[in-house]
Amino acid sequence: QVQLVQSGSELKKPGASVKVSCKASGYTFTSYAMNWVRQAPGQGLEWMGWINTNTGNPTYAQGFTGRFVFSLDTSVSTAYLQISSLKAEDTAVYYCARELPVVVPAASCAFDIWGQGTMVTVSS
Amino acid sequence: EIVMTQSPATLSVSPGERATLSCRASQSVSSNLAWYQQKPGQAPRLLIYGASTRATGIPARFSGSGSGTEFTLTISSLQSEDFAVYYCQQYNNWPPNFGGGTKVEIK
Repeated sequence: QVQLVQSGSELKKPGASVKVSCKASGYTFTSYAMNWVRQAPGQGLEWMGWINTNTGNPTYAQGFTGRFVFSLDTSVSTAYLQISSLKAEDTAVYYCARELPVVVPAASCAFDIWGQGTMVTVSS
Repeated sequence: EIVMTQSPATLSVSPGERATLSCRASQSVSSNLAWYQQKPGQAPRLLIYGASTRATGIPARFSGSGSGTEFTLTISSLQSEDFAVYYCQQYNNWPPNFGGGTKVEIK
């Protein structure tokens, strides 16, 4: 079946880096854009940006530039989120989410398949 | 950036009753709006997109309506598994942002 499986929870110290993986299966990886969404503890959903799975071109939301990097390995149908110089405020669950194809005039489309989430905890 | 405002923040409903959730956009998003359900410890699940199209496998008791700036998610007869947090999301403009959520709790 169509699914996204993310890597496991991470505990990191401030200043360290982390790389979260999101492995797709059950569909053609390069046919759908991949988005990343953050959810801080007890908070709502925050869109981080997306990556074009055909070209590898990433787009970052405001507030997610500089320390955040989206990448791909299409040979294994996997998207990655790397965060460097981790801060306590990066503590959150990070989700990858597949985007439906845009078929009407719109900037984007809804996210129909989500990974299970990866908890990243930053603490000294 | 378009601001998405959901109301109420918390909705207390008895099982079997109807629930009506609202989502307002600060400017028109046409019909480019989605609704998601999130249960504790789980990822969000897409319920509705295009303001009124149910996603695959979503029960008919979930319905969406509206266009422009005012949207509604209706759950016709609440089941025990429907108690959760619901988010709306506009994807008409960049960035495709979410509302703050409505928690539907048992009355």
